[in-house]
Amino acid sequence: KQEVTQIPAALSVPEGENLVLNCSFTDSAIYNLQWFRQDPGKGLTSLLLIQSSQREQTSGRLNASLDKSSGRSTLYIAASQPGDSATYLCAVRRGSYIPTFGRGTSLIVHP
Amino acid sequence: GAVVSQHPSRVICKSGTSVKIECRSLDFQATTMFWYRQFPKQSLMLMATSNEGSKATYEQGVEKDKFLINHASLTLSTLTVTSAHPEDSSFYICSAPRSGGADTQYFGPGTRLTVL
Repeated sequence: KQEVTQIPAALSVPEGENLVLNCSFTDSAIYNLQWFRQDPGKGLTSLLLIQSSQREQTSGRLNASLDKSSGRSTLYIAASQPGDSATYLCAVRRGSYIPTFGRGTSLIVHP
Repeated sequence: GAVVSQHPSRVICKSGTSVKIECRSLDFQATTMFWYRQFPKQSLMLMATSNEGSKATYEQGVEKDKFLINHASLTLSTLTVTSAHPEDSSFYICSAPRSGGADTQYFGPGTRLTVL
């Protein structure tokens, strides 16, 4: 059974810092890995999707890397802003469409 | 814009009543949709897979008579929480996979259910 762990569970930083959010998974036989953002009381917004054959994806200030062999992914947020405050979820898919989610990292960026 | 919608976004009901939540794919057809439940500060837990034209597949521990799922069309799935109780209070989110391109899943905005 796939288990997904996200560290840290919570993070509070001043504006402008570069951040690293970690996601680890126990079964390396994955189809893809996806990072989501969830604002309080809202649904999920997809940030980055990394296929199993890829090593990283970038979108604006966000960069996600994938190391399948070690079962790890990292979401890097450059020059953090208060608007980045949210919960970041990592989800790993095996073969079907059904992903396994981590518990998320709750991020607060204060001015 | 949103590609998956949910209605209602928030519902408060009395214990013992039934509540229906709709999930719609807005500009694509979804033969499969997924229903998740999320408790505060917890991750999303898959409840069931909704299949158009056939019965839903429930995850272990999820009561199918309690959480009725109907995939009425290629763009609509409904989740009915029957005889709701306070412990059913939660955030319910649906998702629909959209194949092609990035082959990703799109999530609805969620429904906050509060049972008094």
